[in-house]
Amino acid sequence: ETGVTQSPTHLIKTRGQQVTLRCSSQSGHNTVSWYQQALGQGPQFIFQYYREEENGRGNFPPRFSGLQFPNYSSELNVNALELDDSALYLCASSLRQGVAGYTFGSGTRLTVV
Amino acid sequence: AQSVTQLGSHVSVSEGALVLLRCNYSSSVPPYLFWYVQYPNQGLQLLLKYTSAATLVKGINGFEAEFKKSETSFHLTKPSAHMSDAAEYFCAVTIQGAQKLVFGQGTRLTINP
Repeated sequence: ETGVTQSPTHLIKTRGQQVTLRCSSQSGHNTVSWYQQALGQGPQFIFQYYREEENGRGNFPPRFSGLQFPNYSSELNVNALELDDSALYLCASSLRQGVAGYTFGSGTRLTVV
Repeated sequence: AQSVTQLGSHVSVSEGALVLLRCNYSSSVPPYLFWYVQYPNQGLQLLLKYTSAATLVKGINGFEAEFKKSETSFHLTKPSAHMSDAAEYFCAVTIQGAQKLVFGQGTRLTINP
């Protein structure tokens, strides 16, 4: 059983640029959620994808967008990067609604300069 | 809406001492509760979860937590701390039908030799 894998592990971008982060879900999971974890804080829910459609969104602006593919993998795209977007981005996979638990990847550390 | 409060952003205990990390939740419907551990530069690892079965939940690495509805608490304990327990711990809540986990701010556990 493979876990959740995220790429890249680290990334440095310039303010105003665009970034794409990738996530492969755990085998057997059909739902992917993305979280932003700023330094010293708990993770904050960005959005969730199920059946290739957005299935819930947190308090993040539209420049945060995503995709889910038929193999359940997912991308997080952030446009017009701001300094405050610097954070650890975590992907979590689950069965729908996730009450049995979410499996998290190791995250992508994004630094915006 | 659900919320989680973790009392104490930093907890320090001696090796071999009892570990107690406090978590209080708010939810208008029956909650599902989780404890995750995060080691430096890593993602979140599930320690244990409460999903409306037994109120005393046993997890990995000798940790356990007790769901107390009357106190809206889900405190994490371990009888004897080990140096390898040093990490950040997050309590999280969700409900049936929700798309997201709501996390607390985290508690950094330090183990003194």
